[in-house]
Amino acid sequence: GENVEQHPSTLSVQEGDSAVIKCTYSDSASNYFPWYKQELGKGPQLIIDIRSNVGEKKDQRIAVTLNKTAKHFSLHITETQPEDSAVYFCAAVYDYKLSFGAGTTVTVRA
Amino acid sequence: KAGVTQTPRYLIKTRGQQVTLSCSPISGHRSVSWYQQTPGQGLQFLFEYFSETQRNKGNFPGRFSGRQFSNSRSEMNVSTLELGDSALYLCASSLVQTDYNEQFFGPGTRLTVL
Repeated sequence: GENVEQHPSTLSVQEGDSAVIKCTYSDSASNYFPWYKQELGKGPQLIIDIRSNVGEKKDQRIAVTLNKTAKHFSLHITETQPEDSAVYFCAAVYDYKLSFGAGTTVTVRA
Repeated sequence: KAGVTQTPRYLIKTRGQQVTLSCSPISGHRSVSWYQQTPGQGLQFLFEYFSETQRNKGNFPGRFSGRQFSNSRSEMNVSTLELGDSALYLCASSLVQTDYNEQFFGPGTRLTVL
């Protein structure tokens, strides 16, 4: 099955700085890579996704890049704000199933 | 459009009991997946239903089962509860079962086994 590794496990940034979370996956057949944000007491919320035929996608302050050759994808958050504090999960779709990374706890310091 | 709803939100059971959790997907969504979230194991896939058929199953024991009804609502059942079954159980729905599986999650059911 698919194995997704995510780093770092915790990330503390100053408000206004950028945050970068990196993930690697094991199965070259995976072709869809969503990112989820989970706030305390809530379910994961889809924030951005990328398909295997695209190298980069951006949505306002959030961007995701994908390197299929290296089996590596990353989430970039620019101009971080206090409301960006949450746990972020990367995932890869293999055989119609989502395989999640272990999560990154992002704390934005005011 | 209403999101994915899960009931109950919180549940306390004792070892050996069984439990049934319910999930109502977003209107029009036909695929429902279930996940278990724990601090130690993270988010793990349980099973997925599409048009009342289980299409995929994760690596969980047979004590974990589920079903989907004709209106796409889904239930999962855990029998003979163990302490290790304490977790947040998340349901996610998607419009169709495709490789590009945009899944939308509900708030989860927090199960505590004593």
